[in-house]
Order: sequence, then structure tokens, then C-alpha cells
Amino acid sequence: QKEVEQNSGPLSVPEGAIASLNCTYSDRVSQSFFWYRQYSGKSPELIMSIYSNGDKEDGRFTAQLNKASQYVSLLIRDSQPSDSATYLCAVKQTGANNLFFGTGTRLTVIP
Amino acid sequence: KAGVTQTPRYLIKTRGQQVTLSCSPISGHRSVSWYQQTPGQGLQFLFEYFSETQRNKGNFPGRFSGRQFSNSRSEMNVSTLELGDSALYLCASSWHTGGGWTEAFFGQGTRLTVV
Repeated sequence: QKEVEQNSGPLSVPEGAIASLNCTYSDRVSQSFFWYRQYSGKSPELIMSIYSNGDKEDGRFTAQLNKASQYVSLLIRDSQPSDSATYLCAVKQTGANNLFFGTGTRLTVIP
Repeated sequence: KAGVTQTPRYLIKTRGQQVTLSCSPISGHRSVSWYQQTPGQGLQFLFEYFSETQRNKGNFPGRFSGRQFSNSRSEMNVSTLELGDSALYLCASSWHTGGGWTEAFFGQGTRLTVV
């Protein structure tokens, strides 16, 4: 059983729309949650971290965490073509420093 | 502040050879983790070093090894290379505050091709 699951997509949204990316995890001791963006041929870039239940907003990005449902999501408002990338959900367990990654969701924003 | 630096960026090796990759973390970061990224398996954790000690290890064969130096720079070594070792190898650094580990920041990666 995979520890972190994401819909691989591809997900296509028109420019200006809201993109919604979802992630579920299986291990209840998971404590820290991250969203990374990876452009083709590049390395992952951290865009959001969230540690407690609820919403966390940073500019056009909102991360949502529901530990009871073991669910993390990322909303991208006013999507831009430059947001086209693969978005990786990552989870860290309590006391550990290694990340478990989902397979990523490829997002395409259509101008 | 300089980011995580990995060298070399690209490598081509022959099956059976060995390879050493290098990672210099962000200044002040003492934890270095290594990951392998392939199209089939995605991003998988190899191992983590903190203060020159391996703290954690992923599910990879013993051909994969690493070490960390007193200046926090880290190297990973892959011996007896196989075609399946072709991948993007990523290094990430972080530090430990009183409240726990911080976010991990990745280097640009080393693209290894085994022929």
C-alpha cells in the first residue's frame, strides 16, 4: 500500500481558474505535510508547508489539512500558465526527517 | 544565502562502474538527505545524515552508500552500477530547531545515466 497517494492527472484548468490538487496519506503518525512544485527537468521547489488542521494561505496558494480524514489539498487561485508543473505532496512522520512523496499531479494551465 | 549545491550536474557511466555524487547544504544546515527520482518509482528516500552520522535509511541495496563530513557536505556512492540506477539524484538540506526539523530544500540534482 502506497503511503502517499495523489491523482496523477493530468489536470488541465483555464487561466484564471482555481486548480485543486489532492493528496491522501496512510500513516496516522504523519505530522508534517508539504507541497513541492517541480518543473520539467528541474528539482522540486517547496511552495507550502502545513502542520495543523485547517487552512494555510500564502498568496495565491492555500493548503488544507484534515488529519482525521488523512487528507491534504492545495488550491491555486487565479491559475497562471507559469503554474504548469508537477505538484508533489510530501509527508514527514513524527520525529523523522525523511519525506514520503506521492507520485505527483501534472497541472497544465491553458492560456 | 547560497542554496543546496550538487555536483556534478550530469554523469554518464558504464554498467559495473562506481560513481560518487556530492552535495553541499545550505550554510548552517546540518541535515542532508538523498533521494532518487525515476519515472517509474517517483521520488524515493535513500538516506539521511546529521552531524556525520546516518540517521535513517531507505529501502535500497547496500550498493548505495553515503557519508557526511564535518562541514556538513555529503557524498553518496553507488557501486557496481546497473542500468536501473539511471535517475535524478537529489539532495535536500534542513536544520533542527528546538521545535523539530524544518522544511527541506532541494539542490538541482545530478542526472546519472548508466549505459
